[in-house]
Amino acid sequence: AQSVSQHNHHVILSEAASLELGCNYSYGGTVNLFWYVQYPGQHLQLLLKYFSGDPLVKGIKGFEAEFIKSKFSFNLRKPSVQWSDTAEYFCAVPGSQGNLIFGKGTKLSVKP
Amino acid sequence: EPEVTQTPSHQVTQMGQEVILRCVPISNHLYFYWYRQILGQKVEFLVSFYNNEISEKSEIFDDQFSVERPDGSNFTLKIRSTKLEDSAMYFCASIQSPVNEKLFFGSGTQLSVL
Repeated sequence: AQSVSQHNHHVILSEAASLELGCNYSYGGTVNLFWYVQYPGQHLQLLLKYFSGDPLVKGIKGFEAEFIKSKFSFNLRKPSVQWSDTAEYFCAVPGSQGNLIFGKGTKLSVKP
Repeated sequence: EPEVTQTPSHQVTQMGQEVILRCVPISNHLYFYWYRQILGQKVEFLVSFYNNEISEKSEIFDDQFSVERPDGSNFTLKIRSTKLEDSAMYFCASIQSPVNEKLFFGSGTQLSVL
């Protein structure tokens, strides 16, 4: 069965620090991977997705993620975080029938 | 960008009462979903709906839950007799085709069961 795990529950960084959030997946079929973000008081938004091709995927707001097949990983990165990046970040893989299976989420707090 | 809208944004109810959470998916979308997020926990899949019937449901989606598309635009989630543990943020989502496309999420309804 498909599953996804996120290693960090809560990450606290200062502005301008670099970010890397871990995501590992277990998936039997063609790999499609997603990162969603939920800003405080707002709904989930898609940050980026990987379907095929270049394993380094660039998303919105300066985020990127690298698909490493040998490590079953899809870690989210940003070279320099801002206070406005404070949010919860969810890694996800497709289930059957088009639904998404989410990880437990990583809360990012950026100190100004 | 088109939006999925959900109403109300916050619903407070007494244990044992029925609640209906409403969603208006994006107009040309064909597949609809309900998810929930209990505070501090992960987002959980509840049910998917296509062609006026449930296509898949999770273990959480027991007999107390039902979904309906009553009029071709609304997509509702009904909880027949709410329990304290039903308190959560409920998200509606829709998609035109389930093949590797972006799910559009609503802003959620925070359900508080007292």
